[in-house]
Parts: sequence; C-alpha cells; structure tokens
Amino acid sequence: AQRVTQPEKLLSVFKGAPVELKCNYSYSGSPELFWYVQYSRQRLQLLLRHISRESIKGFTADLNKGETSFHLKKPFAQEEDSAMYYCALNAGGTSYGKLTFGQGTILTVHP
Amino acid sequence: SQTIHQWPATLVQPVGSPLSLECTVEGTSNPNLYWYRQAAGRGLQLLFYSVGIGQISSEVPQNLSASRPQDRQFILSSKKLLLSDSGFYLCAWSVIRGIQYFGAGTRLSVL
Repeated sequence: AQRVTQPEKLLSVFKGAPVELKCNYSYSGSPELFWYVQYSRQRLQLLLRHISRESIKGFTADLNKGETSFHLKKPFAQEEDSAMYYCALNAGGTSYGKLTFGQGTILTVHP
Repeated sequence: SQTIHQWPATLVQPVGSPLSLECTVEGTSNPNLYWYRQAAGRGLQLLFYSVGIGQISSEVPQNLSASRPQDRQFILSSKKLLLSDSGFYLCAWSVIRGIQYFGAGTRLSVL
C-alpha cells in the first residue's frame, strides 16, 4: 500500500524568504505525484503534477525517486501563498485515479 | 465548462438520524467520482470512489455508504449517524488520472 508523509503540520516564513514544503512517499511502483492547495475560503485545487515539470505561481517540485521525495519549493514566498498544501500520490495502473493524500501543511507567510 | 455542486454546505444532525449528502457534476461525461473526509491534522481520507453508474468501491470500513444512481450524481448516506461521523466531506470528480476537481464541501456536525 502507498503512503504519503508531510512531516510539518505548520510552516511559517517571512515574505521574500525561500520556502520548502516536504513530502515523502512510500510506494513500490512508479507513482505519479501531485501538490494540491487550498486557499482560505476556496476549494481544494491542483497546484502542480510532477510529470508536467512546470512552475506554477513560482512553485516547483522535483520527484526524487532515490529519496522518495517530492518537496515543493519557492525561492521567494509571498503573502498570497499562505494556504493549506497537500501532497498526493496516484499509484497508476488500475488505481482508477485514486489519490493518497498526506496530512497537509499549513503555510503562513508573514509580511 | 465543468462544475461540481455539493450540498448542503453545513448540516447539523442528531445521533441516530439518517444522512444524505449529494454531489452533482456538470459539463463532463462518465467521470470518476470520489468522496473524501477531511479531518484537521489527518489530511484527506478517501471513503468511496465510483467509475460508473452503480459501481461503488469502499476504501475504509465505516458507518457510511455511497450510491451513484446517475452518471454525474454521487450520494453519501448513512442510516444512523454516529458522533464519529462528524467532519468535513468533500466530493471530487476526475477524467484524467490524478487530476481531481473538488466541491466546496459539507460540514457535518453530529450532536
């Protein structure tokens, strides 16, 4: 069975500082990894997926299969980045698109 | 464009009463549908998923059940609510593996 771990429940940084939200996973196959974000009073939404290899809102995430990690990074945090962030894994194959979510990290960016 | 509706937004029910939460999707056909429970500090837990009308898979043993009477309708039910059923319930749909679109959620309080 797969598992996703986000070791930090809370993360606080100041505006302009770099930020890294950690995500580790356990899965024996080739997973697809995602980051979802929930801003205050908004719906949970996809932020980025590892196969896209793109930067969204200045965020990037690299899948490290050796370390089984998919950390989310941004070089200069902004106040509007304050939100709940979830890392999620899809096992592929016949998993029917199911996602296994981590516990979530609440990011607060102070002015 | 596709939209997902989930209602009611909040619900307060006594212990032992029945439950029916409804989710409908517009603008897409034959989506995969999902019910999650979101608990503080515990992330999103997948409760049920469906790949077609009448096809329901349960991920965790519990007091709840799900049904999909129409292609774009997903219902979460209980015959007798328990205190432990309190929580925030999210419905989601997907047609691309791993990319899910979430409803606004239902806050259920069982008293």
